[in-house]
Amino acid sequence: AQKVTQAQTEISVVEKEDVTLDCVYETRDTTYYLFWYKQPPSGELVFLIRRNSFDEQNEISGRYSWNFQKSTSSFNFTITASQVVDSAVYFCAPTTGTASKLTFGTGTRLQVTL
Amino acid sequence: GAGVSQTPSNKVTEKGKYVELRCDPISGHTALYWYRQSLGQGPEFLIYFQGTGAADDSGLPNDRFFAVRPEGSVSTLKIQRTERGDSAVYLCASSPGTNREAFFGQGTRLTVV
Repeated sequence: AQKVTQAQTEISVVEKEDVTLDCVYETRDTTYYLFWYKQPPSGELVFLIRRNSFDEQNEISGRYSWNFQKSTSSFNFTITASQVVDSAVYFCAPTTGTASKLTFGTGTRLQVTL
Repeated sequence: GAGVSQTPSNKVTEKGKYVELRCDPISGHTALYWYRQSLGQGPEFLIYFQGTGAADDSGLPNDRFFAVRPEGSVSTLKIQRTERGDSAVYLCASSPGTNREAFFGQGTRLTVV
């Protein structure tokens, strides 16, 4: 069985602060993919990043960066210099198996204020 | 259109009625998924199509739920004898392939009264 834990229910930051969203994914599978999605108030889920279990190299894309550590089952996501438009619910979601179905965490609500 | 389209955007129905929710995926995407999202929760998987066939329907809650994708493109999620507990946002997503990013529609908000 697999388990996705997003321990942070809600985070509030002031614009321009950096913020890290935590995700812990526990599984016995050796091959899997990890995704982060954003759900703004409009409701539509937006794909952010994708990572496979073989590659632990951390990456940066614009204001987004992510830190994947297989040994601790953590897949954390950082937004640098946050903006009000970043306010949304962020979901961590792994996929496994041939169906590639996403298993979503409970989400972290990020509120960025001026 | 360029994205995943779902209709209707909102549906209010009476308990016991039958409803159909439609999903028009991104052209060329062979994989299609249905998810259900209750208030304050993450989406939960319902069913996955690869082409015309339902490759994984393990998330359907019971036999009142059924989905089809007869020509490998548009899909319809069908709910019989609706119950108040079926009220949720039903999300459709399509993907170009295995373990690729999924693109979601705006969802259909179903309210059973």
